[in-house]
Amino acid sequence: SFELTQPPSVSVSPGQTASITCSGETLGNRYAYWYQQRPGQSPVLVIYQDDKRPSGIPERFSGSNSGNTATLTISGTQALDEADYYCQAWDGSSGVVFGGGTRVTVL
Amino acid sequence: EVQLVESGGGLVQPGGSLRLSCAASGFTFRKYWMHWVRLAPGKGLVWVSRLNSDGSSFRYADSVKGRFTISRDNAKDTLYLQMHSLRVEDSAVYYCVREAYDSGTSLGMDVWGQGTTVTVSS
Repeated sequence: SFELTQPPSVSVSPGQTASITCSGETLGNRYAYWYQQRPGQSPVLVIYQDDKRPSGIPERFSGSNSGNTATLTISGTQALDEADYYCQAWDGSSGVVFGGGTRVTVL
Repeated sequence: EVQLVESGGGLVQPGGSLRLSCAASGFTFRKYWMHWVRLAPGKGLVWVSRLNSDGSSFRYADSVKGRFTISRDNAKDTLYLQMHSLRVEDSAVYYCVREAYDSGTSLGMDVWGQGTTVTVSS
């Protein structure tokens, strides 16, 4: 079955850049999506179709997808960016697949 | 305001049943594909099921296939998840989620409800 792998955690200093990877077989041939979930809140879509930002999502959030890896980049990370981040893709056999999630800690 | 409001969660014994509901408002419900996604304590997001806009096409995660049924009533702007033979591992917050499409391509799961909690325990 199709799987997406993320690092469990990423730490970043305020103002620095955080990069979160998501790996899956031929992921670059599919669209990748990214969701932010702050503690106690529902998930929010932050990137769709690899690199597009929904209305209202700050420009510091960007995405890329190539080969077997999609990457979410948070530039100029702020304290309010501390959250769990999930990648997601679609697979014809497995359906919707989420990565295991990455906890971003802003130190 | 675009909104999804889930209800129907609660405490149920293993082997029991529950029906979750999701009331949609602020958008044309009948035009959207809808999903259920769950989040178990200490775990990550897990997709449960998907239903297309007119209710004719559905998919389930292997873990719930044969036990859960997704359905919708477009006249009532409501999505449902009927859950049978519940297991301890089904305990989670269940989110109702809208998926947007444009020209046949997904724009992602762009609207999430606040979630309803299902606890399966004896």
